[in-house]
Amino acid sequence: GAGVSQSPSNKVTEKGKDVELRCDPISGHTALYWYRQRLGQGLEFLIYFQGNSAPDKSGLPSDRFSAERTGESVSTLTIQRTQQEDSAVYLCASSWQTNTGELFFGEGSRLTVL
Amino acid sequence: EDQVTQSPEALRLQEGESSSLNCSYTVSGLRGLFWYRQDPGKGPEFLFTLYSAGEEKEKERLKATLTKKESFLHITAPKPEDSATYLCAVQGLSNFGNEKLTFGTGTRLTIIP
Repeated sequence: GAGVSQSPSNKVTEKGKDVELRCDPISGHTALYWYRQRLGQGLEFLIYFQGNSAPDKSGLPSDRFSAERTGESVSTLTIQRTQQEDSAVYLCASSWQTNTGELFFGEGSRLTVL
Repeated sequence: EDQVTQSPEALRLQEGESSSLNCSYTVSGLRGLFWYRQDPGKGPEFLFTLYSAGEEKEKERLKATLTKKESFLHITAPKPEDSATYLCAVQGLSNFGNEKLTFGTGTRLTIIP
């Protein structure tokens, strides 16, 4: 399809394990975002990539969280030594037009930490 | 710090019963206010962008309006397929250029046939 693709759609892991979440943005979109959505809470900004510029990591909650992006394509969000409070839906979004607020979201990766 | 408060948390309407959802915001200079729709198990879907007080946008049965302190999403003669969670988000001038959005917790709308 032509939309933002995320994998896995569901991930159950044990506390202390590392997880990787993947995002394939829409082709041609230079901006890529990761947001976290906890149950009953608003979407929480994590990180932003724009082209080849340095990413805005200001939303990452701790040094256990990191993200990479290969050029203007795939991005990976890594959570090390997962904790129960990391349980959430992790949403990826991409955009080609800056400052319109029009983000195209994937369906998310639901992470459950036992 | 930018803040967004949405009310009510949940709203149940009969099909055809019009109503409004509220989004109150605090931002250090508004760059834009955005409305999204989110269906269960899906990512948010963009609806509208509003930039300045007095602006209105319409799409089918939805109309979004903006004042200096809040935005309303008016739903006219809703249908069951309008059932979803509606999210409001803002971008402040301090975040101009990076598109970091601050989201509210949403209003869960249910339209009863």
